[in-house]
Amino acid sequence: KQEVTQIPAALSVPEGENLVLNCSFTDSAIYNLQWFRQDPGKGLTSLLLIQSSQREQTSGRLNASLDKSSGRSTLYIAASQPGDSATYLCAVNTGNQFYFGTGTSLTVIP
Amino acid sequence: DVKVTQSSRYLVKRTGEKVFLECVQDMDHENMFWYRQDPGLGLRLIYFSYDVKMKEKGDIPEGYSVSREKKERFSLILESASTNQTSMYLCASSLRGLYGYTFGSGTRLTVV
Repeated sequence: KQEVTQIPAALSVPEGENLVLNCSFTDSAIYNLQWFRQDPGKGLTSLLLIQSSQREQTSGRLNASLDKSSGRSTLYIAASQPGDSATYLCAVNTGNQFYFGTGTSLTVIP
Repeated sequence: DVKVTQSSRYLVKRTGEKVFLECVQDMDHENMFWYRQDPGLGLRLIYFSYDVKMKEKGDIPEGYSVSREKKERFSLILESASTNQTSMYLCASSLRGLYGYTFGSGTRLTVV
């Protein structure tokens, strides 16, 4: 069974700093990987979807990379803002379903 | 944009009640999913469906059932609610297996 790990579980940074969130998975046979943001008590908002044939995807200040062979993905957030404070989850798609990590809780301090 | 709508944001039910959680998507997606999310346990898949009247068990189906009579609607049923089913319930849909998920805003269910 696919296992997805996100490290660190929590991260606190000062405003303006660039940061990297990590996601690793045990089975490289994936179709795609998706990064989500979740605010407290809310649903998940999709940030970026990377297909298995792609190396990276960018949206605004966000850049996600995928190294399928090593089972790793990173989410890079540039020039962090207090509004970026949330929990970030990655999910890998095996074709039948997505498997989720437990998330990284990010706090950006003004 | 695809919209996934969950009928209730907050629900409080009594132990033993039959509970229906409704999810509707508006973009003709084949696949629909129900998850529950608990602190420290992450998202766990309860049931999913690839088509109308089809359903598949996820990782934690016990105590739950589902119904998909129409393509756009996927209902989660708690046959006899128990306190250990207090949780955040999240519905998601996707076009096909190779596409990403779109989530609803979640239903926070409390069973007392």
